[in-house]
Amino acid sequence: EIVLTQSPGTLSLSPGERATLSCRASQSVSSSYLAWYQQKPGQAPRLLIYGASSRATGIPDRFSGSGSGTDFTLTISRLEPEDFAVYYCQQYGSSPLTFGPGTKVDIK
Amino acid sequence: QVQLVQSGAEVKKPGASVKVSCKASGYTFTSYYMHWVRQAPGQGLEWMGIINPSGGSTSYAQKFQGRVTMTRDTSTSTVYMELSSLRSEDTAVYYCARGGVGFLRNWGQGTLVTVSS
Repeated sequence: EIVLTQSPGTLSLSPGERATLSCRASQSVSSSYLAWYQQKPGQAPRLLIYGASSRATGIPDRFSGSGSGTDFTLTISRLEPEDFAVYYCQQYGSSPLTFGPGTKVDIK
Repeated sequence: QVQLVQSGAEVKKPGASVKVSCKASGYTFTSYYMHWVRQAPGQGLEWMGIINPSGGSTSYAQKFQGRVTMTRDTSTSTVYMELSSLRSEDTAVYYCARGGVGFLRNWGQGTLVTVSS
């Protein structure tokens, strides 16, 4: 099973700042099968990025994903008030599908 | 638009079973896999398994093997997840999610299952 580690656990930033979230895998994720999700309190997760760098439908271009192998990054170029949430990475290159523990982005 | 509508909250006693439904609309039901993911209170996301609505084949996470059963009814575009031998640690929100290759493109609203004596 591929174990995903996310850092930092919490990121405290102000609106307008840049957010950089990291996801590291215990072994290489085949074909960059890595996705990112956003979850707000009381809501279901929402797909942001798949294939490490492809934005899902309707996702603003301030969200971008990069990386390959074992190291992946989600970048939010300029934080909007609605971006403060928990972010999860997920690998789907091998079974079982696994999620990272999440990074909480909160308001500084 | 794609919609996944799940059944309502459940309260169960330890040792019982629960069956959660997920009704799909807005797309061809048999063309996309359906996943089940759960989230314990204040915790992260945990993948439980997947069903192919076309043929009904399933694959479960080893942790849930023997306790989970995923089925589908193509006549109503509904998938079901049944979890048996419930214990307190199964208290969680259970989500169905429509799959792409393996990423989860659309999610249901979630169903809270509470296991308590």
